[in-house]
Amino acid sequence: GQQVMQIPQYQHVQEGEDFTTYCNSSTTLSNIQWYKQRPGGHPVFLIQLVKSGEVKKQKRLTFQFGEAKKNSSLHITATQTTDVGTYFCADPPTYNQGGKLIFGQGTELSVKP
Amino acid sequence: KAGVTQTPRYLIKTRGQQVTLSCSPISGHRSVSWYQQTPGQGLQFLFEYFSETQRNKGNFPGRFSGRQFSNSRSEMNVSTLELGDSALYLCASSLGQLNTGELFFGEGSRLTVL
Repeated sequence: GQQVMQIPQYQHVQEGEDFTTYCNSSTTLSNIQWYKQRPGGHPVFLIQLVKSGEVKKQKRLTFQFGEAKKNSSLHITATQTTDVGTYFCADPPTYNQGGKLIFGQGTELSVKP
Repeated sequence: KAGVTQTPRYLIKTRGQQVTLSCSPISGHRSVSWYQQTPGQGLQFLFEYFSETQRNKGNFPGRFSGRQFSNSRSEMNVSTLELGDSALYLCASSLGQLNTGELFFGEGSRLTVL
């Protein structure tokens, strides 16, 4: 079945270092979404990428969608302790299929001050 | 605007019992979906309701069921609980029209089965 693979599973960085998580799909994606879940919290939507090769930035976060729309990445520049959490990519459903997202396993980021 | 509200937040049950979890979506959102989150399996889709109709169902046994009311509030039920049902159950709402935009998640209901 459709799968979304995410690596690495864990990443421990020193505050100020950069961080990248990668998401790969076994099939071509129509869109891709990214969520962040703080420890003890719930997933919060970060962004949706739609176009092949799309790059979007949110302050220190850079999101990229591959040219073939089968992979995506999230890069955080100069991590801060507030970046701690688990980052999930998710494959949204196609037309009229509502809230069925296929989530990657997530990358848990810890930041040492 | 109030967010997605889930009740109860925490509950403890024993094997064989059944449980009902409730979710109130953001006002105006007609789609409610449910996810199970465990350390081993991650976030897994249970089912999704739109205008009181189940549109999608994940790969879970029939012990897991849900429904949606006319006011878009939703409930999910798990019968004959097993130890492996211990998880965080997350409800998410969205406008749920032609395409899925972002999902808005509730805080979750953490179920422990003893």
